[in-house]
Amino acid sequence: AQKITQTQPGMFVQEKEAVTLDCTYDTSDQSYGLFWYKQPSSGEMIFLIYQGSYDEQNATEGRYSLNFQKARKSANLVISASQLGDSAMYFCAMRERTSGTYKYIFGTGTRLKVLA
Amino acid sequence: DADVTQTPRNRITKTGKRIMLECSQTKGHDRMYWYRQDPGLGLRLIYYSFDVKDINKGEISDGYSVSRQAQAKFSLSLESAIPNQTALYFCATTTGSADTQYFGPGTRLTVL
Repeated sequence: AQKITQTQPGMFVQEKEAVTLDCTYDTSDQSYGLFWYKQPSSGEMIFLIYQGSYDEQNATEGRYSLNFQKARKSANLVISASQLGDSAMYFCAMRERTSGTYKYIFGTGTRLKVLA
Repeated sequence: DADVTQTPRNRITKTGKRIMLECSQTKGHDRMYWYRQDPGLGLRLIYYSFDVKDINKGEISDGYSVSRQAQAKFSLSLESAIPNQTALYFCATTTGSADTQYFGPGTRLTVL
């Protein structure tokens, strides 16, 4: 079974509008972390936002917020006021403790295109 | 200067050649990882290391080997490259208390 599922291979959003990128996860751990990364066409992986499983409030970083719904095991990324520079691949990832070590598991990504 | 560097950034090689990808970090992190990225598959873990004496296989380690020469250096080798190892390779580092991994810029490898 997929540990991290991103069901939207591609998304379009109009400039200045908000967009939500979906991510669901599967773990039996009580303590885990959830991450979002941005990968522009240049290829580098840029860390955007982190949510710990015990954090009661949704994480926010500037125009990025993480809509964390623990019972539903979802960790959606919300980008407000989209900009042309937001066009990129976005990856959801989870850090979980497996066999006494921490591992990071990535989703397959969502390609976001911001339209002028 | 970048905290996590990878060399080379791009490499084209032929089937059967041995190739080494290198990763260096100045962040002082103890944990280092190698991933490969293929279109539509996200990042998949090849090997990881939590200190110089600790090497662990990831989900797709076949055909690869690694060396942790020092805390700051972690190399990935393809002993006999094959075309389906054509991919974008990332090195990443972190600590036990960090809230994220820190990625290198990636190495684009093409095996002809």
